[in-house]
Amino acid sequence: SQQGEEDPQALSIQEGENATMNCSYKTSINNLQWYRQNSGRGLVHLILIRSNEREKHSGRLRVTLDTSKKSSSLLITASRAADTASYFCATDAVLNTGFQKLVFGTGTRLLVSP
Amino acid sequence: NAGVTQTPKFQVLKTGQSMTLQCAQDMNHEYMSWYRQDPGMGLRLIHYSVGAGITDQGEVPNGYNVSRSTTEDFPLRLLSAAPSQTSVYFCASSLLGQGEGRAFFGQGTRLTVV
Repeated sequence: SQQGEEDPQALSIQEGENATMNCSYKTSINNLQWYRQNSGRGLVHLILIRSNEREKHSGRLRVTLDTSKKSSSLLITASRAADTASYFCATDAVLNTGFQKLVFGTGTRLLVSP
Repeated sequence: NAGVTQTPKFQVLKTGQSMTLQCAQDMNHEYMSWYRQDPGMGLRLIHYSVGAGITDQGEVPNGYNVSRSTTEDFPLRLLSAAPSQTSVYFCASSLLGQGEGRAFFGQGTRLTVV
């Protein structure tokens, strides 16, 4: 059951430019998280935003959440080649056992060229 | 500070063979999960555990078994490998339910079933 859909699927920019990725989801959430995955590696948590928050910052990252539109965006400012990775949004969903799992989108592949 | 450690990193199996993917974490997290990542499908939850001795099924549990005898370890067993189980497998651990807070992921096991 895929909840989040990222847009665009792929993004190619130059170093120093800003990168914006969007995520849309289908059902109500308690929070939304963004993860980064470098090629061939595991996922690394970037930021969590709760449903009662509209915007959150962490270093060069800015995340917004619009629960009325069921969408979120991740902005990376002043991109670096090291930001090249896939970025996933993940929302929470409660199983009938009460376990709160993560539901991932298919990701945005970001390529930052020097 | 190892975090989540998965072994092996790569594995090739013949159809019908069985094997165990190992996962260990050193953060004393109660919650652990196994996901599989397939192209175009994001990550899907296979099994999860909310503490030693307690496991349950996720979205795609068929063909896999888990056990949790200690807080640290959460192995995933493939009973009789099938080509449809060719995937990248990730183990994750978290202090809270994984939809509630940050999850830590291992580096992944790339499994090919021929």
